[in-house]
Amino acid sequence: DIVMTQTPLSLSVTPGQPASISCKSSQSLLLTDGKTYLFWFLQKPGQPPRLLIYEVSNRFSGVPDRFSGSGSGTDFTLKISRVEAEDVGIYYCMQTRQLPYTFGQGTKLEIK
Amino acid sequence: EVQLVESGGGLVKPGGSLRLSCAVSGFTFSNVWMTWVRQDPGKGLEWVGRIYSKTDGGTTEYAAPVKGRFTISRDDSKNTLYLQMNSLKIEDTAVYYCTADIGRWVFSGGDTNWSLDWGRGTLVTVSS
Repeated sequence: DIVMTQTPLSLSVTPGQPASISCKSSQSLLLTDGKTYLFWFLQKPGQPPRLLIYEVSNRFSGVPDRFSGSGSGTDFTLKISRVEAEDVGIYYCMQTRQLPYTFGQGTKLEIK
Repeated sequence: EVQLVESGGGLVKPGGSLRLSCAVSGFTFSNVWMTWVRQDPGKGLEWVGRIYSKTDGGTTEYAAPVKGRFTISRDDSKNTLYLQMNSLKIEDTAVYYCTADIGRWVFSGGDTNWSLDWGRGTLVTVSS
């Protein structure tokens, strides 16, 4: 199985400040079709996960442009340019490069 | 409006069975590969398995911890996805979510007729 490792596991950010979450996979997530199967989700308290980013860097419909994704191969990063109070929750990376799909442990974002 | 509504969860003893349902509306369910994902209370996310669309063969694939015990099926006439869970273990305790297979969505070019929403989940508790 592909192991997804996120760091940090928690972070506390002042509103208006940036935040960054790293996700490393144990194998490359690049498939022979040229696509990299790395996704980012946000799970707010009491809610199911919601897709933020697909294929490393594409913002899903309705996701604010303060969220951005980058990376390649096995190293990926989610950045929030200016954290807002509504961004609290747990962020997960996920790979669908191969079965079984696997998730990172999650990174809990809190507001200072 | 897109809706995915899971039901069928509850308290069951080890070794028992449950069948979960996921009722879908607001998108063309029959064209979509579907998955089940579970979440231990207070913990992370775990992919359980998936089912292809009927036009792609209706194949099912499972995570190792549930293979041989869980069965995913679909009834496209009812826009409903199912998860039959047998021989339940304490470690199967989790909230179970249904959602489209996002990997397949990307692989097939991001069909705009799919929904990538998740249901709110249904809690399964396995305890004696």
